[in-house]
Amino acid sequence: AQSVTQLDSHVSVSEGTPVLLRCNYSSSYSPSLFWYVQHPNKGLQLLLKYTSAATLVKGINGFEAEFKKSETSFHLTKPSAHMSDAAEYFCVVSAADTDKLIFGTGTRLQVFP
Amino acid sequence: GAVVSQHPSRVICKSGTSVKIECRSLDFQATTMFWYRQFPKQSLMLMATSNEGSKATYEQGVEKDKFLINHASLTLSTLTVTSAHPEDSSFYICSASPGDSNQPQHFGDGTRLSIL
Repeated sequence: AQSVTQLDSHVSVSEGTPVLLRCNYSSSYSPSLFWYVQHPNKGLQLLLKYTSAATLVKGINGFEAEFKKSETSFHLTKPSAHMSDAAEYFCVVSAADTDKLIFGTGTRLQVFP
Repeated sequence: GAVVSQHPSRVICKSGTSVKIECRSLDFQATTMFWYRQFPKQSLMLMATSNEGSKATYEQGVEKDKFLINHASLTLSTLTVTSAHPEDSSFYICSASPGDSNQPQHFGDGTRLSIL
């Protein structure tokens, strides 16, 4: 079965410093992996996705993630945090042979001035 | 980009009433739509998969008679919470899939349901 584990429930950074949100996945096949962002009382916006092409995936708003099969990781990074990045971030894996998405528990990112 | 519209954004109603939530794909046809429930400060839990022209597929533990799903067209799915009670209060989010495996799901902005 597929699953994702987000290693940190909360991450706090200062504005202008790097962001690292960690995600490990478990999958019996080559997975499709996603990062979504959710602002308060809003739906989810896709940041980026990995679908077995390039292992370094660039997304919107300066975010990127690297698929590392040897470490079963798909960590999300951004070189310089902005106040508007404060939100909930979800690492997501697609279930085998379906459109179903399996969500991690989320990481709340706080950005301090 | 692809847009999914969810309506209403917020509902407050009395216990025992039924509430209908609509999910529309505005610029693409969605053969499959998904309904999620999100409790405060928690992740999304898939409730059911809505397939156009056929019965919805419910996840284990979700009462199909409580949460009625209709997907009558390729652009509209509805979720009706029947005889709602305070424990049904939650944030409900829909998503729509264009049916292309290379295309991600697109999410609505969610509906905050509060049952008094």
